[in-house]
Amino acid sequence: KAGVTQTPRYLIKTRGQQVTLSCSPISGHRSVSWYQQTPGQGLQFLFEYFSETQRNKGNFPGRFSGRQFSNSRSEMNVSTLELGDSALYLCASKPPDFGTGELFFGEGSRLTVL
Amino acid sequence: ELKVEQNPLFLSMQEGKNYTIYCNYSTTSDRLYWYRQDPGKSLESLFVLLSNGAVKQEGRLMASLDTKARLSTLHITAAVHDLSATYFCAGRYDKVIFGPGTSLSVIP
Repeated sequence: KAGVTQTPRYLIKTRGQQVTLSCSPISGHRSVSWYQQTPGQGLQFLFEYFSETQRNKGNFPGRFSGRQFSNSRSEMNVSTLELGDSALYLCASKPPDFGTGELFFGEGSRLTVL
Repeated sequence: ELKVEQNPLFLSMQEGKNYTIYCNYSTTSDRLYWYRQDPGKSLESLFVLLSNGAVKQEGRLMASLDTKARLSTLHITAAVHDLSATYFCAGRYDKVIFGPGTSLSVIP
C-alpha cells in the first residue's frame, strides 16, 4: 500500500512569492492534516480537511490556506512568503473516524525562503 | 485548548541503561500517541493509547497512559544506539496536538 506522498520534497523561494504544496493521502484515507515543523516552534497544526471540507484550523495567518479535492488529495498554499515560513511542511492522512485516529505522515516538503 | 508538554527535552544516555520520557497534557484527550522522528525524516507512529491504564510494548520501548493524572510515559529499556531519535507524544481533543519532542541520544 503506497504511503502519503508529498510534492515537491524541496523548494526554495524568495520573500513575497507564493508556494503550493501537494499531498496525496493513503488510498482510502479521506482525512488530511497539515503541520508546520520548525526548530523553534516544533510541530504546529495548520489545518485538517475531510471530504473537501476544512474541519479544523490552527493559529496561522490568512496567508496560509488549503483545500482538498474530491479524490482526497490536498494542497496548501502560502502567499506573500516571509523568512519565518521556512520550515518542513508535513502532511498526514488517517483512516476513517471509527479507527484509532492514528496519523500517517508523508516525508514532508522542505521550504526555504530567502 | 489542549497543550502537551514533554520532559526531558534532551536526553543523553548510555547504552544498556533504562530511562523514562514523560508526557503531560493539559485537558481531556481521548487518546495519546507516540511518534519517532529520525533526523531529516518524517514521523513514524510507535504507539496509540486509547484508555486509562493502557500499556503497549514494542521491543525496548513501552508506553503507558494514566488519564486521571493526564500523564503518559515512554520507558526505554537497555538502550541501544538505534534508538537515537526524537520522540514526540501527541494528544487529541478536536485535533492532534504534539508535544515539543524529546531528543534522545544513546552513547556507546
